[in-house]
Amino acid sequence: AQSVTQLGSHVSVSEGALVLLRCNYSSSVPPYLFWYVQYPNQGLQLLLKYTTGATLVKGINGFEAEFKKSETSFHLTKPSAHMSDAAEYFCAQTSGGSNYKLTFGKGTLLTVNP
Amino acid sequence: NAGVMQNPRHLVRRRGQEARLRCSPMKGHSHVYWYRQLPEEGLKFMVYLQKENIIDESGMPKERFSAEFPKEGPSILRIQQVVRGDSAAYFCASSPGTGELNSPLHFGNGTRLTVT
Repeated sequence: AQSVTQLGSHVSVSEGALVLLRCNYSSSVPPYLFWYVQYPNQGLQLLLKYTTGATLVKGINGFEAEFKKSETSFHLTKPSAHMSDAAEYFCAQTSGGSNYKLTFGKGTLLTVNP
Repeated sequence: NAGVMQNPRHLVRRRGQEARLRCSPMKGHSHVYWYRQLPEEGLKFMVYLQKENIIDESGMPKERFSAEFPKEGPSILRIQQVVRGDSAAYFCASSPGTGELNSPLHFGNGTRLTVT
């Protein structure tokens, strides 16, 4: 069965510091990978996705992620954290190449300290 | 341009009651998906529907849960005889197409069900 592992259920950074949220996937076929953000009491918003092609993917709000097949990783980064980045972040992969049957990680709660 | 609309935002039911969760997809979207988020867990796929058809219900519990997406009106996720373990956030998503990676899912704000 496919799985997504997010290392660290809670990450705390200072404003202006680097944000690094880790995600490892397991898939027997080439995966399609996604990062979603969930602000309090809101739905999930797509940050970025990797399908094929360039392994460094840029998303909204200055986030980017790099697909590393050798490490089965898709870590999310942002050079400089902003207070508005405080939210829960979910990494996800698809099953069998479809777009709708996403397997999600348990999420990482990011807090940003002033 | 309204997004995916779910109601109610919060729903409290006593054990044994029925819960009905509604989802109106984004304008122009004909594909609806329901996901469930249990406490401290990631979202898990439940069911995928198109108008008047259930396409994939492989993630739906076999008993007490049902879903529909009628020709007119919102999609409904129905949970009969709720139990405490049904307490979760239920998210609906929609897309204009399926299996196409250029049409990502758009999620609603969720319905938080609490069973007392």
